[in-house]
Amino acid sequence: EAGVAQSPRYKIIEKRQSVAFWCNPISGHATLYWYQQILGQGPKLLIQFQNNGVVDDSQLPKDRFSAERLKGVDSTLKIQPAKLEDSAVYLCASSLGGSAMHNEQFFGPGTRLTVL
Amino acid sequence: SQQGEEDPQALSIQEGENATMNCSYKTSINNLQWYRQNSGRGLVHLILIRSNEREKHSGRLRVTLDTSKKSSSLLITASRAADTASYFCANQAGTALIFGKGTTLSVSS
Repeated sequence: EAGVAQSPRYKIIEKRQSVAFWCNPISGHATLYWYQQILGQGPKLLIQFQNNGVVDDSQLPKDRFSAERLKGVDSTLKIQPAKLEDSAVYLCASSLGGSAMHNEQFFGPGTRLTVL
Repeated sequence: SQQGEEDPQALSIQEGENATMNCSYKTSINNLQWYRQNSGRGLVHLILIRSNEREKHSGRLRVTLDTSKKSSSLLITASRAADTASYFCANQAGTALIFGKGTTLSVSS
């Protein structure tokens, strides 16, 4: 079974530039998550989709971050404009369902973003 | 912040020894999960313990949960060099996972 795919794996940009990350979840997984992991910390949820609808985006900095999941499959996360503090690994995860209480999440390899 | 805490932050042991990591969390939970993250790789799910369970085993892993103390522990027995990684607990309340800051385990041969 193919895992969660993410691209690019690495990205270096200058502050105030824009960047986009792409995620392809495991086939059949209804729920997709984007996490931000700053060096030395645990992942922090940015946004959760159930199919193509947003379930939780309470921790997404909406002035600069946006995400979409068209057709309920692939997802993109965009930062515009980027700040130095956005340097982090952006992890995408998927699970079979979001409404059930006991769902294992499967994580992609992440995109390491460096903002100079 | 609802983020939990792992203890210790870093742990160094020899191959064959046991490693114990502790986790505390702040909210009521549906379940608590442990993940492993190797350098340069994504997170891998290790084990899930439900809020009505007290102990669970999977291979060399043993997890305990004490909901009255809002704490959990992960025991890795007979450690191997390949166990070197960061370990995170994540508590699930609703559908969101709230991760702790992690314990970095180094196993030397």
